[in-house]
Amino acid sequence: DQQVKQNSPSLSVQEGRISILNCDYTNSMFDYFLWYKKYPAEGPTFLISISSIKDKNEDGRFTVFLNKSAKHLSLHIVPSQPGDSAVYFCAASSDDKIIFGKGTRLHILP
Amino acid sequence: DTGVSQNPRHKITKRGQNVTFRCDPISEHNRLYWYRQTLGQGPEFLTYFQNEAQLEKSRLLSDRFSAERPKGSFSTLEIQRTEQGDSAMYLCASSFKAYEQYFGPGTRLTVT
Repeated sequence: DQQVKQNSPSLSVQEGRISILNCDYTNSMFDYFLWYKKYPAEGPTFLISISSIKDKNEDGRFTVFLNKSAKHLSLHIVPSQPGDSAVYFCAASSDDKIIFGKGTRLHILP
Repeated sequence: DTGVSQNPRHKITKRGQNVTFRCDPISEHNRLYWYRQTLGQGPEFLTYFQNEAQLEKSRLLSDRFSAERPKGSFSTLEIQRTEQGDSAMYLCASSFKAYEQYFGPGTRLTVT
């Protein structure tokens, strides 16, 4: 069973607008949630994290929101830039391991 | 370059052969992780080390897979008697904190 779910395989957003990527999880024991970004032929790159005791973390253009009651988190990118086109993985940490979702491919349109 | 490095970047092998991959982590990091990624999936945890101790292995890691981290520095992942189902990207990551891992570029294995 998938403990971390990204239900949108792809998303297209106009340059300059807000990109919102969503993620759901099932395990209440996760203590950190993370977003990774991946370009083709490269390994995933750590983007931003949030502790399970917080509901928001912001880093420049990237903000992650956590709704524990709904077991849902989202990544907001604003404004979206062409270099943001990549696959974004939602991930959750528990017991020294990270469990990844399947990823959402973000296309930033000119 | 102080990032995580992996060698080789690509490996093509025939079914039944043994292969070995190497990972050099960021030097200050005591934790080292191996993942496998197939098309359309996120990375799947295989095993991890804290210093030289292998602390956990996934049930995905069959008896044909073995990993080592001698002296707590670089690590190797060996697959014996490769099968076509082993074809995947093998990713290594290192970290101080379990939840903030830094990945290498991966080794793409193709078993023919």
